[in-house]
Amino acid sequence: GQNIDQPTEMTATEGAIVQINCTYQTSGFNGLFWYQQHAGEAPTFLSYNVLDGLEEKGRFSSFLSRSKGYSYLLLKELQMKDSASYLCAVRDLRTGNQFYFGTGTSLTVIP
Amino acid sequence: DAGVTQSPTHLIKTRGQQVTLRCSPKSGHDTVSWYQQALGQGPQFIFQYYEEEERQRGNFPDRFSGHQFPNYSSELNVNALLLGDSALYLCASSSSGTGGRLSNYGYTFGSGTRLTVV
Repeated sequence: GQNIDQPTEMTATEGAIVQINCTYQTSGFNGLFWYQQHAGEAPTFLSYNVLDGLEEKGRFSSFLSRSKGYSYLLLKELQMKDSASYLCAVRDLRTGNQFYFGTGTSLTVIP
Repeated sequence: DAGVTQSPTHLIKTRGQQVTLRCSPKSGHDTVSWYQQALGQGPQFIFQYYEEEERQRGNFPDRFSGHQFPNYSSELNVNALLLGDSALYLCASSSSGTGGRLSNYGYTFGSGTRLTVV
């Protein structure tokens, strides 16, 4: 199966940088995705990694190490609106490229 | 360009009843996946429909069934509702692409249907 682990909760200060880690175990890895989900809303796509390295997209960056089964999402210049749940998801080739999600990391940005 | 639309947005049902949730995929998408998201948890894969057939299924009982129509829209049916079925049900659409290549941008999610079983 797929084991995806990420911290349950994190708190950071407005304007700061925060790193949300995700570890996974799957034999059919075909991409790692990060989604943002505000309370009561649909998840929205943030980033995608399939090769090792860093993908930068404005204030958000995501890193992947396939050999370590590890990814992180880096959020810079935090804003209050960044308070949300951040979901790490792995796409698994063995199961028709289905997405398997972690439980999500609830980030609270404080003034 | 309309995204994924789901209906209804909220629903309250009694234990033992049956429910049908509906999803219209994003324009250009032909594949629909359904997820159940319990409070404080990540989405859990229920099943996926493509070409009007169930292609993949997660670890959900047969009480959960679905259907896809020729226009790619989809329904999720849950029979004999249990209190534990209370959750946000998310529909996600994607494109099968050409030659089996999938979009790098994963799924597009709908806003979900909040089901409460009492």
